[in-house]
Amino acid sequence: GAGVSQTPSNKVTEKGKYVELRCDPISGHTALYWYRQSLGQGPEFLIYFQGTGAADDSGLPNDRFFAVRPEGSVSTLKIQRTERGDSAVYLCASSGTGLSGANVLTFGAGSRLTVL
Amino acid sequence: KQEVTQIPAALSVPEGENLVLNCSFTDSAIYNLQWFRQDPGKGLTSLLLIQSSQREQTSGRLNASLDKSSGRSTLYIAASQPGDSATYLCAPNFGNEKLTFGTGTRLTIIP
Repeated sequence: GAGVSQTPSNKVTEKGKYVELRCDPISGHTALYWYRQSLGQGPEFLIYFQGTGAADDSGLPNDRFFAVRPEGSVSTLKIQRTERGDSAVYLCASSGTGLSGANVLTFGAGSRLTVL
Repeated sequence: KQEVTQIPAALSVPEGENLVLNCSFTDSAIYNLQWFRQDPGKGLTSLLLIQSSQREQTSGRLNASLDKSSGRSTLYIAASQPGDSATYLCAPNFGNEKLTFGTGTRLTIIP
């Protein structure tokens, strides 16, 4: 597609529920990233995929967070047993071959998650 | 842990003025640095990417500079316009696939 698409744009859920957030990167981009942005803060890195594999998941805060990219394009960020502290905007970005190739990141508009 | 600081946190200037946004980082061993703008409720738009071997990068009315030895980058905006109002974020890359973002400078251009 022309840009990075994220769905849903807004998600309101109750504490303890399971949530999935979807990212559709730019066609042909092998590198995909998830970031989380809390109010008034810059985005924080969560996980990076190169193709189908998670090359760096060091930013995932705990084992309630998991992400997949089974076919090397669309990615899903999954959050189990959501907590109020998970409320944030979850941003997805993609890049041609990755930052080490001096490629810029193209971000989606984000999914705003609110946990009540 | 690398830290990125942006000063000022907020800035208001009259339309037409030139302005400078500052970014400092604690680890001088950066690979490259990107400047982004973020409009309210929107994602980030990449403005400029400056490599560690470069000192400056220009795009239209924007000019980014990089001083690795002092751990600083600046974003210069010439002849500011109301459409420039947004939050500006700098993000150094320390040689891996993670960007470390500052907290941003919220810029308001007063018509």
